[in-house]
Amino acid sequence: GAGVSQSPRYKVAKRGQDVALRCDPISGHVSLFWYQQALGQGPEFLTYFQNEAQLDKSGLPSDRFFAERPEGSVSTLKIQRTQQEDSAVYLCASSLGLSGSYEQYFGPGTRLTVT
Amino acid sequence: KQEVTQIPAALSVPEGENLVLNCSFTDSAIYNLQWFRQDPGKGLTSLLLIQSSQREQTSGRLNASLDKSSGRSTLYIAASQPGDSATYLCADTGRRALTFGSGTRLQVQP
Repeated sequence: GAGVSQSPRYKVAKRGQDVALRCDPISGHVSLFWYQQALGQGPEFLTYFQNEAQLDKSGLPSDRFFAERPEGSVSTLKIQRTQQEDSAVYLCASSLGLSGSYEQYFGPGTRLTVT
Repeated sequence: KQEVTQIPAALSVPEGENLVLNCSFTDSAIYNLQWFRQDPGKGLTSLLLIQSSQREQTSGRLNASLDKSSGRSTLYIAASQPGDSATYLCADTGRRALTFGSGTRLQVQP
């Protein structure tokens, strides 16, 4: 079946604009994770969901970042008043369960460039 | 808080060489250790996952080992090929989210 998909694949935003990044997880996957990957670095955890519940948002860098998964499937990561330091690749992953025993499957990412 | 380090940051080898990528972690209470491959503009592809009770995993030309007591994991690639060129990331899977190293960028020269 289809893997994790993300849209848009590339986004250029002017500083101060709001952006919304979409993630479509693998059908039936309960857990959904968002990561931020700066250039030359490994991905860093932002937040995760189990179904529609956001269980941990400790990795969100500021209150300008907001994520939702209202029906327990598609998720949106929203960044308000974008800043240059928000430029990064945003990766979404989904898994069958929440514990570390379940493998996470990653989407191709959205590359955000803030000018 | 777990910290994961990968050395070297970049590596260039001629085709056919055997090579070892290194990963170290600060907290020996690692959950599972996972190795990923990342191609430019692509997401992460899982290569090998070593559960905390295991010492190694093998898949084709790849072999990954885990030594919790020393806080180290290695990824061994045998008979490297140009198609192996990519960034290799290791991660502690944790009880929830993954904690990644910053990766080793591998270039295999034909």
